[in-house]
Amino acid sequence: GQSLEQPSEVTAVEGAIVQINCTYQTSGFYGLSWYQQHDGGAPTFLSYNALDGLEETGRFSSFLSRSDSYGYLLLQELQMKDSASYFCAVRAYSSASKIIFGSGTRLSIRP
Amino acid sequence: EPEVTQTPSHQVTQMGQEVILRCVPISNHLYFYWYRQILGQKVEFLVSFYNNEISEKSEIFDDQFSVERPDGSNFTLKIRSTKLEDSAMYFCASNRQGEDGYTFGSGTRLTVV
Repeated sequence: GQSLEQPSEVTAVEGAIVQINCTYQTSGFYGLSWYQQHDGGAPTFLSYNALDGLEETGRFSSFLSRSDSYGYLLLQELQMKDSASYFCAVRAYSSASKIIFGSGTRLSIRP
Repeated sequence: EPEVTQTPSHQVTQMGQEVILRCVPISNHLYFYWYRQILGQKVEFLVSFYNNEISEKSEIFDDQFSVERPDGSNFTLKIRSTKLEDSAMYFCASNRQGEDGYTFGSGTRLTVV
């Protein structure tokens, strides 16, 4: 099976940088995705890493290291609207018809 | 921007009753999914659907659950005899072949009383 672990909560200051980590145990997967979910809202796709390294999309970057079974989402120039839950997710080779979500990290931004 | 549409936004039902949750995926998407999220918890996979049949289902998706694509646009999730523990937010999602991310609908909050 697959498991993805994330810190349950992270707090950061507006304008700062924050990193949300995801460690996983899976036998093999196509790539690591990140989703954002505001309270009461739907998960929204943010980024995808198929290969090791850094992918940058505006203020958000995502990193993957398959050798370390580890990835992270980096948010820069934090804004109050970034307060949300963030989930990493994988699509495993063994069950390619779905993505499995991590436990989620609730990010709180303070002024 | 195209979106996945779900109805109703909120459904209250009595334990033991049947409910049907409806979804209209994005028109050129071929892969459809149902996920659920109990309040404050992670998003859990229920079922994936492609080419008019189930591709994969989770342990949660037991005989009480079924999915259907009754026409070219709708994708439904039926729970035959609801239990209190079925209370959750149910999300429909879809994507195209080769697309990395899923597009999720805004969800149906199901409350079983």
